[in-house]
Amino acid sequence: DAMVIQNPRYQVTQFGKPVTLSCSQTLNHNVMYWYQQKSSQAPKLLFHYYDKDFNNEADTPDNFQSRRPNTSFCFLDIRSPGLGDAAMYLCATSRGPDPNQPQHFGDGTRLSIL
Amino acid sequence: GNSVTQMEGPVTLSEEAFLTINCTYTATGYPSLFWYVQYPGEGLQLLLKATKADDKGSNKGFEATYRKETTSFHLEKGSVQVSDSAVYFCALSTPSGGSYIPTFGRGTSLIVHP
Repeated sequence: DAMVIQNPRYQVTQFGKPVTLSCSQTLNHNVMYWYQQKSSQAPKLLFHYYDKDFNNEADTPDNFQSRRPNTSFCFLDIRSPGLGDAAMYLCATSRGPDPNQPQHFGDGTRLSIL
Repeated sequence: GNSVTQMEGPVTLSEEAFLTINCTYTATGYPSLFWYVQYPGEGLQLLLKATKADDKGSNKGFEATYRKETTSFHLEKGSVQVSDSAVYFCALSTPSGGSYIPTFGRGTSLIVHP
């Protein structure tokens, strides 16, 4: 089945130690998204790629960066994680630009900071 | 800017009860509207969508009708099951960076008791 896969499902890192989360998709969608979701809250968009064009949300901290080396893969890099960065990180894809197309989500990576 | 307002949860029901989760929106133009569901420990999944006024989206016994005159997209189900316990997010498509991104409501938790 075509899908969005996030690895790992659980990630533990130390305060200030860089960490990378990965996402891959077999849907061949041209738009990929990274969200941060904290408990009992809506997902918060960090950035998205439309093909190779990177779109950063205005309030995304500089600590967060992303790479998309090809259509299938996208990475979220957190350069110096703080305790406030502990959250679920969700990757999603969609076929764009079409406002009628829904997003397809992975199951997320839960990040813990020691 | 675009926004989505959902009723606060949790919504607690007994099995076979009728469900309504209210959703209203503010947007320029006529956005596509979506309901997503998130089960514990998982990513979001598309539940249903409607792309124009008076459209009714339906899936798994859930329904929602796109009401332009009241700018609403309320989610309903005639008889809920324990397995419907999850968080439900209303969303609309917002243009951004040459593509479209979803604007999510805050989510409404549904708890169904046997």
